[in-house]
Amino acid sequence: DGGITQSPKYLFRKEGQNVTLSCEQNLNHDAMYWYRQDPGQGLRLIYYSQIVNDFQKGDIAEGYSVSREKKESFPLTVTSAQKNPTAFYLCASKASGRTADTQYFGPGTRLTVL
Amino acid sequence: GNSVTQMEGPVTLSEEAFLTINCTYTATGYPSLFWYVQYPGEGLQLLLKATKADDKGSNKGFEATYRKETTSFHLEKGSVQVSDSAVYFCALKITGNQFYFGTGTSLTVIP
Repeated sequence: DGGITQSPKYLFRKEGQNVTLSCEQNLNHDAMYWYRQDPGQGLRLIYYSQIVNDFQKGDIAEGYSVSREKKESFPLTVTSAQKNPTAFYLCASKASGRTADTQYFGPGTRLTVL
Repeated sequence: GNSVTQMEGPVTLSEEAFLTINCTYTATGYPSLFWYVQYPGEGLQLLLKATKADDKGSNKGFEATYRKETTSFHLEKGSVQVSDSAVYFCALKITGNQFYFGTGTSLTVIP
């Protein structure tokens, strides 16, 4: 089955610790995305990557970092500089090309900082 | 700039009622438009999409028509079911790979 996996589903960390969220896809998609979702708010873009070894900041990149060393993987690190990291994090991917305009989402990781 | 404004919720309907969730957009160029659905604790799933003016997207009894003259993409369903209870997001994509999402509308359908 092709799809996007995110792990873990729930993650708890102490304040001041860095934490890395995993996102893997086997859809052979070039583009990958990280969004943050807070209650009552829409999705806000943290980072996106259009190709391996390249990524761009989204609207709320401060306090986060990413890497894209492999096409299948786009891990997100929430650093201690992120002031309010408790949220639901969604990873997505998309194929390349003008007609490929649908994003596919993973099941999400709920991060709680204690 | 690019943005999506959708009807605030929450929306509560009785089973078999008619549903409309309003969505309007601002975009540079000619966007593709989407409705996504999110069930509790899950990621988003594509519900339907339209890529040019006057296109109608449809799926599972839901419909939305791309109206360029009113910059709208309202979601409708003639008869909702309890299983339609979820959060619905309107979104747009312009050229390139960046998407813009609305804030989501929570729908609860009661038997």
